[in-house]
Amino acid sequence: GAVVSQHPSWVICKSGTSVKIECRSLDFQATTMFWYRQFPKQSLMLMATSNEGSKATYEQGVEKDKFLINHASLTLSTLTVTSAHPEDSSFYICSAPGASGIENIQYFGAGTRLSVL
Amino acid sequence: DAKTTQPPSMDCAEGRAANLPCNHSTISGNEYVYWYRQIHSQGPQYIIHGLKNNETNEMASLIITEDRKSSTLILPHATLRDTAVYYCIAQGTTGKLIFGQGTTLQVKP
Repeated sequence: GAVVSQHPSWVICKSGTSVKIECRSLDFQATTMFWYRQFPKQSLMLMATSNEGSKATYEQGVEKDKFLINHASLTLSTLTVTSAHPEDSSFYICSAPGASGIENIQYFGAGTRLSVL
Repeated sequence: DAKTTQPPSMDCAEGRAANLPCNHSTISGNEYVYWYRQIHSQGPQYIIHGLKNNETNEMASLIITEDRKSSTLILPHATLRDTAVYYCIAQGTTGKLIFGQGTTLQVKP
């Protein structure tokens, strides 16, 4: 199946700094990617839809100035957590649909664990 | 996208079939039923999907009731590596996956 690579897998940063997470589709192109966050013992929560060449679409309650999304190419989307604080510590996961059309299987990255000190 | 309901947890003996139910009584005609699983601290993994007919692949079988209001994921011979959280999702045309709480399947030796 299609492969989605996410980097880094784990990052620790100081409060107030910004962290960038990359999501790449390795063997297919993705005009759309999705970003999720997951707190311990909870389900995945959709944060935003990343659209190649245009602005991301954020879910209700997600601060777009806090979580900057850039989808500059057909294989790369980035999520930047700006001015990170301890409450931003979470597991961030991206996904990309393997094909267009109504039957689109999502392929997920391995996730990035962010710890803000 | 339609809401789905799953039992929070299930146990299964290793080597036996694991049958995971999902209720999606408000599913609309163009929504597919997808199953994903998440092994601890990893990204979710696609398992199988279907619209009306039963489906089978190398990982599992999906049984969808005739009225499409519920479905069952079957892992025919569960192994310890199948221990995971299983998510049943009714997905429409937006492509967005809205995850519920899923079923934590514990496969026991």
